[in-house]
Amino acid sequence: KQEVTQIPAALSVPEGENLVLNCSFTDSAIYNLQWFRQDPGKGLTSLLLIQSSQREQTSGRLNASLDKSSGRSTLYIAASQPGDSATYLCAVWGGNKLVFGAGTILRVKS
Amino acid sequence: DVKVTQSSRYLVKRTGEKVFLECVQDMDHENMFWYRQDPGLGLRLIYFSYDVKMKEKGDIPEGYSVSREKKERFSLILESASTNQTSMYLCASHRGFKETQYFGPGTRLLVL
Repeated sequence: KQEVTQIPAALSVPEGENLVLNCSFTDSAIYNLQWFRQDPGKGLTSLLLIQSSQREQTSGRLNASLDKSSGRSTLYIAASQPGDSATYLCAVWGGNKLVFGAGTILRVKS
Repeated sequence: DVKVTQSSRYLVKRTGEKVFLECVQDMDHENMFWYRQDPGLGLRLIYFSYDVKMKEKGDIPEGYSVSREKKERFSLILESASTNQTSMYLCASHRGFKETQYFGPGTRLLVL
């Protein structure tokens, strides 16, 4: 059974710092991995989708990497801003559904 | 701009009531999903649908049913609401498993 773990559970950083969020999964037989952002009380917004054949994807200040063989992904956020404060979730698609991690709560202090 | 909408942002219902949660997507996606999200338990899949009139059970289907009569609409039904169904309900859709999954804004349901 696929399990997804995200470390750290919470992170507080000053504005301007570069930061890394980690995601690990137990079964490397995945089709893709997706990173989402969730603001309090809201739905999920897709940030990046990495196919299993890809190593990384970039969007603006965000860069996500995937190492399928070791079961790991990282989300790198450059020059963090207070508006980046949210919960970040990773999810892997394997079998016929997305399996989600519990998320990392990020707070960027101004 | 892709869009998934849910009929209500907040709902308050009584125990034993029948509850309908509606989800509509305008992207012509084949696949639609219902999740619930609870603190400490994360997102859990309730039901999903690969096509009109098709449905598959997710991880926690007990106490729920679904309906998909049209491609763009996927309804979640609580046959007899109970207090343990108080939760945030999220609908999502995508074109296929290699594609991005898009989420609606969520419905926060309180069952008293």
